[in-house]
Amino acid sequence: AQSVTQLGSHVSVSEGALVLLRCNYSSSVPPYLFWYVQYPNQGLQLLLKYTSAATLVKGINGFEAEFKKSETSFHLTKPSAHMSDAAEYFCAVSNAGGTSYGKLTFGQGTILTVHP
Amino acid sequence: EAGVVQSPRYKIIEKKQPVAFWCNPISGHNTLYWYLQNLGQGPELLIRYENEEAVDDSQLPKDRFSAERLKGVDSTLKIQPAELGDSAVYLCASSTRLAGTDTQYFGPGTRLTVL
Repeated sequence: AQSVTQLGSHVSVSEGALVLLRCNYSSSVPPYLFWYVQYPNQGLQLLLKYTSAATLVKGINGFEAEFKKSETSFHLTKPSAHMSDAAEYFCAVSNAGGTSYGKLTFGQGTILTVHP
Repeated sequence: EAGVVQSPRYKIIEKKQPVAFWCNPISGHNTLYWYLQNLGQGPELLIRYENEEAVDDSQLPKDRFSAERLKGVDSTLKIQPAELGDSAVYLCASSTRLAGTDTQYFGPGTRLTVL
């Protein structure tokens, strides 16, 4: 079984401030981990993914995330927020193999608001 | 390269009416997924296809929902009859294992409103 918990359904930052979106996962096997972003009335766009290579993963739009096995976390960060980062962000987990291969389990999402 | 295409983007129907959604995946992607996204929540998998075969439909409410992917390319998801609680966004995604992972690429979704 696998699950994802995103801490904080809403995060608000000022433009230029650090963005930190928290994600903790549970998985019985080594996981693949993903962050997706969803803009209003659009589908999900992949920001970055962890697939058991480097633990610090860099994605698009200046985002990065660090896989910490001991903390079962995969938090998303960006050093300096931009107005265009305002959106909803989803953390997701899938298994590397087995019968659950291909099944993405998503967190509840975190809405990021960026103030001028 | 074209992304995942879905139609219609929006659909409004009366309860008890049938409705169908269409999805065309990224060319060459043999795996296709249908997800349900309720307001304020993350997507939940309804069904996963490997080519023409539905390999995981455990979360599909089979009394009213059906899906098909006859030629292993595009797919249709149907609801008959629709209920008020079916109002949601229906997302289609596709992936390929050629890259070694199952990174899923999503379409824009179909927003269903049942009145």
